[in-house]
Amino acid sequence: SYELTQPPSVSVSPGQTASITCSGDKLGDKYACWYQQKPGQSPVMVIYEDTKRPPGIPERFSGSNSGSTATLTISGTQTMDEADYYCQAWDSSTALYVFGTGTKVSVL
Amino acid sequence: EVQLVETGGGLIQPGGSLELSCAASGFTVINNYMNWVRQAPGKGLEWVSLTYAGGTTYYADSVKGRFTISRDNSKNTLYLQMKRLRDEDTAVYYCARATMVPQNGRGFDVWGQGTTVTVSS
Repeated sequence: SYELTQPPSVSVSPGQTASITCSGDKLGDKYACWYQQKPGQSPVMVIYEDTKRPPGIPERFSGSNSGSTATLTISGTQTMDEADYYCQAWDSSTALYVFGTGTKVSVL
Repeated sequence: EVQLVETGGGLIQPGGSLELSCAASGFTVINNYMNWVRQAPGKGLEWVSLTYAGGTTYYADSVKGRFTISRDNSKNTLYLQMKRLRDEDTAVYYCARATMVPQNGRGFDVWGQGTTVTVSS
């Protein structure tokens, strides 16, 4: 089965840049999406089609996807960005959506 | 306002059945790609099932043969019929909308608030 692997945690100081990676076999050949989930809340999509931001998502969120790694970058991280982040892709060979293992971002 | 509201969760014994509902407003389920996603306590997100136009359905291996996704277009509602429930099915179940075929990478742009299913004796 297809798997997407993320680091369990990332720590960043306020105002600095946080990078969250998502690794999967030939992930660059698929589209990646990213979701933010705060405690007790439903997930919110922050990136789709590798690089696009939905309406209302701040410009400090950006994405890239190449080779076997997709990356979510949060520039000028704010305390409100502290959350769990999940990548997601569709594996056409198995006809399954796959979520990444999740990354907890701490803003210290 | 575009919204999804899940209902139907509860406490159920192992081996039992339960049906979840997801009422949509502000858009029609028939014209979108509707999904169920679950999250076990303290764990990550797990995609469960997808349905779209024509009755096409897909299931995660962990639920295939036990869960059935369906829609009632007249009620604009998505359902998840769950049978032969196991302890490991305990989770918050979310419904979520995608607006294009999965390969197009649009992702899930609208999520419900979730409904909790607890499988325990």
